[in-house]
Amino acid sequence: GDSVTQTEGQVALSEEDFLTIHCNYSASGYPALFWYVQYPGEGPQFLFRASRDKEKGSSRGFEATYNKETTSFHLQKASVQESDSAVYYCALGGQGTGSKLSFGKGAKLTVSP
Amino acid sequence: EAAVTQSPRNKVAVTGGKVTLSCNQTNNHNNMYWYRQDTGHGLRLIHYSYGAGSTEKGDIPDGYKASRPSQENFSLILELATPSQTSVYFCASGQGGNNQAPLFGEGTRLSVL
Repeated sequence: GDSVTQTEGQVALSEEDFLTIHCNYSASGYPALFWYVQYPGEGPQFLFRASRDKEKGSSRGFEATYNKETTSFHLQKASVQESDSAVYYCALGGQGTGSKLSFGKGAKLTVSP
Repeated sequence: EAAVTQSPRNKVAVTGGKVTLSCNQTNNHNNMYWYRQDTGHGLRLIHYSYGAGSTEKGDIPDGYKASRPSQENFSLILELATPSQTSVYFCASGQGGNNQAPLFGEGTRLSVL
């Protein structure tokens, strides 16, 4: 079945470091891809999405580009801040099944001052 | 303002007991979802609904039932709770369509002793 793989379980950075969190997907066609962010004690919040090859999604300084060839949607940010510390989830939209999302396992980002 | 409200926020249950988790949305969304979140597994879909009166099985439905009596309300029912169902449960709502990003509630932390 359709699935999303996030390889980093934990990411530890210092402020102003460059961030990459990897996301690869397995699905046919062109599924919509999403990034969500979850702060402690809260529910996941939608960050941004993309649904076409080479489309870039972005929000709050984060961005990711849909790559059909490499089946990837890696999250990047040029300069992280301590306030970016959170868990980041990549998700895959089910085609023809509405907004039913399949999530990766998440990556916990910790940014030190 | 769009909102998904879960109750209770915390629950302690005994093994073999019945547990009902409730979710209310004021967004007039057609679709609603129940996910559980566990370390190492991310968010996994338990049940979902396309509208009042409908429920569908997600990826891990065993041991859970769902009920959607109205557009606004979606319940998750554990008829015979087990310790393996100790988790954080999230409800979400979405309008539907491949690009729609579901809006999540703040979660219910359930401990089954």
